[in-house]
Amino acid sequence: DIQMTQSPSTLSASIGDRVTITCRASQSISSWLAWYQQKPGKAPKLLIYKASSVQSGVPSRFSGSGSGTEFTLTISSLQPDDFATYYCQQYNSYPWTFGQGTKVEIK
Amino acid sequence: QVQLQESGPGLVKPSGTLSLTCAVSGGSISSSNWWSWVRQPPGKGLEWIGEIYHTGSTNYNPSLKSRVTISVDKSKDQFSLRLSSVTAADTAVYYCARVLRAFDIWGQGTLVTVSS
Repeated sequence: DIQMTQSPSTLSASIGDRVTITCRASQSISSWLAWYQQKPGKAPKLLIYKASSVQSGVPSRFSGSGSGTEFTLTISSLQPDDFATYYCQQYNSYPWTFGQGTKVEIK
Repeated sequence: QVQLQESGPGLVKPSGTLSLTCAVSGGSISSSNWWSWVRQPPGKGLEWIGEIYHTGSTNYNPSLKSRVTISVDKSKDQFSLRLSSVTAADTAVYYCARVLRAFDIWGQGTLVTVSS
């Protein structure tokens, strides 16, 4: 299985901050990476697919980059609605696997 | 727009079989998508269980493969999950999801507790 490792596990930030979350794959996954946002009691929501493509309806402050084994999710200016847990997921090879999550908290 | 809704018992006894159904509305299950199950134990991360195409082709997570069956009912636009020989470790919120550009549409999730 491809292991996905996110850092940090928890991130404290203020409104307006630029936030970056990193996801590393244990082997190359090309650009087959997605990012999700999950709020408590809710299903995950797709933000980014194919490493850098923004899902329809997702605010432009969210962006993704990377390829191979290193990827980042960036929130350009953190908003109150962005406090949540974020997961990366590879879909290069079975079984699809997720990172352990990064919780973005209010500083 | 496509919506997914999970249904099934919220409590299953140890060694029993967990059975859930995901109803697809606003679209056809026979569209060119795979349909997946993902679970999340309380307070933990996400685990992919498996997926099915409308033709009946399936892919399963090897960690669960011996206990999992995913099936499709095209006449009802729904697909189902069966997980056998459950233990407390199978207690989780179970989500169904459409696979198009990753998991782009999710059901709201249903909590299944394994307990006697």
